Amino acid sequence: EAGVAQSPRYKIIEKRQSVAFWCNPISGHATLYWYQQILGQGPKLLIQFQNNGVVDDSQLPKDRFSAERLKGVDSTLKIQPAKLEDSAVYLCASSLNSGGAGEQFFGPGTRLTVL
Amino acid sequence: GQQVMQIPQYQHVQEGEDFTTYCNSSTTLSNIQWYKQRPGGHPVFLIQLVKSGEVKKQKRLTFQFGEAKKNSSLHITATQTTDVGTYFCAGSGGSNYKLTFGKGTLLTVNP
Repeated sequence: EAGVAQSPRYKIIEKRQSVAFWCNPISGHATLYWYQQILGQGPKLLIQFQNNGVVDDSQLPKDRFSAERLKGVDSTLKIQPAKLEDSAVYLCASSLNSGGAGEQFFGPGTRLTVL
Repeated sequence: GQQVMQIPQYQHVQEGEDFTTYCNSSTTLSNIQWYKQRPGGHPVFLIQLVKSGEVKKQKRLTFQFGEAKKNSSLHITATQTTDVGTYFCAGSGGSNYKLTFGKGTLLTVNP
C-alpha cells in the first residue's frame, strides 16, 4: 500500500514569510497527526485530527500556525509569519484507529529552514 | 503536562555488543510505543506495549513495560550495523491517545 505522502520535501524561506505543507495520509486512516521535530529531539505533536475534526491542538502555536483537514483526507499545515525557531522537520503521520492507540505511519517529512 | 525522559542520549557500541535504552514517564501511561529513525529518515514503528509488566521480543530486540506502567526499556542483543539509528519511546496517557515522544537514544555501531 502507498505510504504517507508529504510535499514539499525541502523549503527555505526568510523569517516573516509564510509557508504551507501538504500531507496525504494512507487511504482509510481516520487519524492524522502533524509533528514538529527539531534537530536532536523527538517529534512534538502539533495537532491531531480524527477524520476532519481536531482532537488535540494544545501544542500548536495558534498565533502563527494553522492546520486543516478538509473532507477528512488531505491536510495542510501553514505557518504565517515564520520565525527562525520554526526551522525543523515537519512530519505528518496517520493511523488506522479512530480514537484508539495504534501504530502511526510517518511520511518522509518536510525540512524547513528559516533564514 | 506529561513528560517522557529517555537515557542515554547517545550510545556507541562495537558490533556484537548489547545495547539498552531506558524510558521513564512522569505519569502513568496507558501504552508505550517504540520507534526507530534511521539517519535522514522518518520514525518507523517497532512495537506497542499495553499491559503492566509486558515483555515482547522481536528477533534480537526485547521490549519491556514496567509494572507501574511508568517506565520501559528496549534491549538489543548482539548489535549489527543495521541497528544504527535513533530509538524513540513514545508514551500515551490521555483519552485521545496523544503520544509524547522522548528525546531518543542515538545508537552507533562500529563494525
